[in-house]
Amino acid sequence: GNSVTQMEGPVTLSEEAFLTINCTYTATGYPSLFWYVQYPGEGLQLLLKATKADDKGSNKGFEATYRKETTSFHLEKGSVQVSDSAVYFCAPRYNQGGKLIFGQGTELSVKP
Amino acid sequence: DTEVTQTPKHLVMGMTNKKSLKCEQHMGHRAMYWYKQKAKKPPELMFVYSYEKLSINESVPSRFSPECPNSSLLNLHLHALQPEDSALYLCASSQDESRDYGYTFGSGTRLTVV
Repeated sequence: GNSVTQMEGPVTLSEEAFLTINCTYTATGYPSLFWYVQYPGEGLQLLLKATKADDKGSNKGFEATYRKETTSFHLEKGSVQVSDSAVYFCAPRYNQGGKLIFGQGTELSVKP
Repeated sequence: DTEVTQTPKHLVMGMTNKKSLKCEQHMGHRAMYWYKQKAKKPPELMFVYSYEKLSINESVPSRFSPECPNSSLLNLHLHALQPEDSALYLCASSQDESRDYGYTFGSGTRLTVV
């Protein structure tokens, strides 16, 4: 079946450091790709998305590019802030049934 | 209105109680979802409603009973729950079931079964 793999956390960075969270998905079908963020005690928020190869999603300084050749959708941010501390979920959505499939989540902690 | 509203935010119930969780959206979305999330885990899909009809039940025990009274409302009826059912219950909606649309999530109901 379809699946997604995220890098394990927790990831601890200092403020203004560069962030990369790796995500790879299975290549069965042609999914849309999403990153969600969950702040402590809250629901999930859509952070960014890409629906076809080479698309770049971006929001709040975060970026991710749909790489079909490597089946990847890595999340990056050039300079993280303490307020970015949260859990990040990579989630492909395939046409069959249209379900989002969540990765295990990567917890990010940013220290001042 | 770009929100999914869930009530109540917190719920404590005994194993013999009957309670309901409510979810509401006014974005004209035609697909609605219930998820269960345990601490430090990803959300697990429970049910999907598409155009007010149940389209997916992920083998959820019958003590959880979903209902979609209209296109804006989604309920989850709870009866005879177990302590291991304690979790964050998330509702979400999307334009429809096609792959191009993301989900909009509510902030969840934190359920404790005692």
